[in-house]
Amino acid sequence: DAKTTQPPSMDCAEGRAANLPCNHSTISGNEYVYWYRQIHSQGPQYIIHGLKNNETNEMASLIITEDRKSSTLILPHATLRDTAVYYCIVSVPTGANSKLTFGKGITLSVRP
Amino acid sequence: DAGVTQSPTHLIKTRGQQVTLRCSPKSGHDTVSWYQQALGQGPQFIFQYYEEEERQRGNFPDRFSGHQFPNYSSELNVNALLLGDSALYLCASSLAGGGVGGLDTQYFGPGTRLTVL
Repeated sequence: DAKTTQPPSMDCAEGRAANLPCNHSTISGNEYVYWYRQIHSQGPQYIIHGLKNNETNEMASLIITEDRKSSTLILPHATLRDTAVYYCIVSVPTGANSKLTFGKGITLSVRP
Repeated sequence: DAGVTQSPTHLIKTRGQQVTLRCSPKSGHDTVSWYQQALGQGPQFIFQYYEEEERQRGNFPDRFSGHQFPNYSSELNVNALLLGDSALYLCASSLAGGGVGGLDTQYFGPGTRLTVL
């Protein structure tokens, strides 16, 4: 079973920031938080990952709470092409247990 | 930089048949994982190959088997196909113990859509 909880859907206006929440209250000390997204019928696309510090790359920012029990993925200026299912996953990143356990994800709809 | 490639793109089989799906990992990667994604669901982990051996396996029957070649490419074989095997099959590659910060970040291919009639 997935170790994360996400709302089923949300929407935001084009050009505005999209803040996607994720709860992972049972996360272990050696587990990272990963975010992937999947545009209809395509393979999941890696977005970002983090352990406990906030992270930023060219696609998004990841904010992890101090107790690591929840996180937020931020798309700073959402576009129509950001409409997708976003998956929040916790995983040990190396070795024999580095599988990804996907939940149902959150469907983000960006409206014009 | 070549990403993960999969073949074929689409495949139609009938119940009871056998199928082989192929995956070439991203350049520089040595680990391949396979996932099954039924319509409307998130991907489910099937198994992972590293150094030509199955390193870990999800909750899938023995009808699902795999292989990894010396060039790190991989095959997924499914025997005695059932209607329920209809799904998008995804391959993901990673570098064991490598990458940014030594993490095995997985990168996915476009998938193979299998339809069983």
